[in-house]
Amino acid sequence: GAGVSQSPSNKVTEKGKDVELRCDPISGHTALYWYRQRLGQGLEFLIYFQGNSAPDKSGLPSDRFSAERTGESVSTLTIQRTQQEDSAVYLCASSLGGLYSNQPQHFGDGTRLSIL
Amino acid sequence: SQQGEEDPQALSIQEGENATMNCSYKTSINNLQWYRQNSGRGLVHLILIRSNEREKHSGRLRVTLDTSKKSSSLLITASRAADTASYFCATSKHGNQFYFGTGTSLTVIP
Repeated sequence: GAGVSQSPSNKVTEKGKDVELRCDPISGHTALYWYRQRLGQGLEFLIYFQGNSAPDKSGLPSDRFSAERTGESVSTLTIQRTQQEDSAVYLCASSLGGLYSNQPQHFGDGTRLSIL
Repeated sequence: SQQGEEDPQALSIQEGENATMNCSYKTSINNLQWYRQNSGRGLVHLILIRSNEREKHSGRLRVTLDTSKKSSSLLITASRAADTASYFCATSKHGNQFYFGTGTSLTVIP
């Protein structure tokens, strides 16, 4: 009966490397969201998956960012050729229904990404 | 931007006092949600208020919504040291993405 699980919890990598972040949503949750949170800031929407619909990628900041989700389970966020401005906490959330459903989002504890 | 903005950015009170924080947004919404974030953790959902509701209570929390002013307030009564956290409002408009504000950092001094 676990909540949303994200891994790794911390990631330090050199500029230019690719990183892959993983999110395991709550079982049965059809909607999954990725956000970026810079230090002391609010959440910046990145991408939204809802069931088998095409994802809403409108928040991805550049083509270096991509995300996939297999059915209604695990999602991975990939950042290619990382830059120092990518340093942030990446948060994943899932919810029972999509945005029309008035369901709350359940968040993981995030992956803290540091680019050297 | 549709993003909500919380006010104040930071708030420090004594234990037992009430804490009030506000959220303003720019466009029509479907619902507004308040979340809490402890340092180094993810966000925890506190309360959701629909656009046709004006007030909602949950334990020591009271949320109001004024759609004519495009604003909401979160009141925490009889605050405790454990309420120390950042508080965010999030708005949703008819199927678009959620927009989170920049948060209010609340410190409750024992």
